[in-house]
Amino acid sequence: EDQVTQSPEALRLQEGESSSLNCSYTVSGLRGLFWYRQDPGKGPEFLFTLYSAGEEKEKERLKATLTKKESFLHITAPKPEDSATYLCAVQAPGNQFYFGTGTSLTVIP
Amino acid sequence: KAGVTQTPRYLIKTRGQQVTLSCSPISGHRSVSWYQQTPGQGLQFLFEYFSETQRNKGNFPGRFSGRQFSNSRSEMNVSTLELGDSALYLCASSLNPGGTEAFFGQGTRLTVV
Repeated sequence: EDQVTQSPEALRLQEGESSSLNCSYTVSGLRGLFWYRQDPGKGPEFLFTLYSAGEEKEKERLKATLTKKESFLHITAPKPEDSATYLCAVQAPGNQFYFGTGTSLTVIP
Repeated sequence: KAGVTQTPRYLIKTRGQQVTLSCSPISGHRSVSWYQQTPGQGLQFLFEYFSETQRNKGNFPGRFSGRQFSNSRSEMNVSTLELGDSALYLCASSLNPGGTEAFFGQGTRLTVV
């Protein structure tokens, strides 16, 4: 069964303390892997799409990487405004999307 | 340009009732997908519509249905509500089916009592 697992479930960082979030998947024939950010009471906000192993994308303090079995979202020198839930989703060959349950990130000033 | 608009933002319904939620996609986007989000299950795919046709369906019972109109606006309907249907229902729009960049609305928070 296609599955997406994110870890850790929750992460607390001091401002400026870099770390990584993990998304592992078992989907065969991956068409794309997506990262979203979700703030409380809001819908997910698109961050990145990755298509093939070895691909990397960056946006401000965030960098997403992809291997054949997992993706990492690296957060460099985070700020309190980076606090949110980060969701990973994969697109299967039938165009269905499977989401992980997210990593709740808290950045403490 | 305007984002994805979902109405209403909040709903409280009684078990056994039915409910209709609405989603207006970004102008020019023709694909609309619906998701259910709960704390324990995360985001789960309900269905996707493109050009008024359902293209994909997730693993939900037949009580969950949807449709899309010629202007790309979409509605989803849940009949015979159960307590477990309480969730945040999110709509996402993209240019084409399986769009690689989907934009989400704020969601409709449904509470079934």
